[in-house]
Amino acid sequence: QLVLTQSPSASASLGASVKLTCTLSSGHSNYVIAWHQQQPEKGPRFLMKLNSDGSHSKGDGIPDRFSGSSSGAERFLVISSLQSEDEATYYCQTGGTGTVVFGGGTKVTVL
Amino acid sequence: QVQLVESGGGVVQPGRSLRLSCAASGFPFNSFGMHWVRQAPGKGLEWVAFISYDGSNKYYADSLKGRFTVSRDNSKNTLYLQMNSLTTEDTSVYYCATGYWDTPMVSNYWGQGTLVTVSS
Repeated sequence: QLVLTQSPSASASLGASVKLTCTLSSGHSNYVIAWHQQQPEKGPRFLMKLNSDGSHSKGDGIPDRFSGSSSGAERFLVISSLQSEDEATYYCQTGGTGTVVFGGGTKVTVL
Repeated sequence: QVQLVESGGGVVQPGRSLRLSCAASGFPFNSFGMHWVRQAPGKGLEWVAFISYDGSNKYYADSLKGRFTVSRDNSKNTLYLQMNSLTTEDTSVYYCATGYWDTPMVSNYWGQGTLVTVSS
C-alpha cells in the first residue's frame, strides 16, 4: 500500500534552516513526489517535484531557499534562511497507477 | 498565467447532490490531467479524484465508495465533480489542481478552492 509518512511538526529560528522528511512506504522507494506549501488560511502552493535521484523541478517563483534531496525511500525539503512567511504546513504527495496519496503534513513554526 | 477557478460550493443537506466546476485558463487544458483534492476543517489534504487529459482514465479515492464522478469538457476548459449522497463527512474545501506535465499523478497548479458544507 502506497503511504507517505511525515512528522507532524518542526521548528527553527528565523534565519536558520529546517529539514523536513517524507518517507515512502516499502516497495515504493523510487517514486517521484511533490512538495506543497500551505500557509494559514490559504490554498496549497506547489513547491517542487522531487525525483528519487534528488533532482528536482521547482514551481514558478519559488525562492532558492527551498531545495530538495532524496535518499532511498526518504524525500527531503530543506528551507534555508527561514523567513516568517515560511511558517506553514508542508505536504508531500505521490501517485501510482490509479491512486494518489498525501502525507499528513508537517507544520513548521518559525521561532 | 495558469488560473483555476472553482465554483459550485455551498450549503447542502445530507443525502443531496452537488456539482462543482473548475474553470481553467492560461495553459492547454486538453493536454493536462486534472485532480480534485479536498480538505476538511482543520485537517490535511485528501486526494479525491483524477481524470486524464482526454477523459479516458478516471481514478477515485477508495473512501468515496462510488458516490463521486469526475468529468471534463475540453471544449469549455472546464473540470467537474459530481457529488452524490453527500454526508456531513464530505464537508470540506474542494480544490482542483493540474497534474504535472510529465508526472500527471502529482499536482502542480492549484485553484483557490470552494467550500462545501453538508448540514441539515
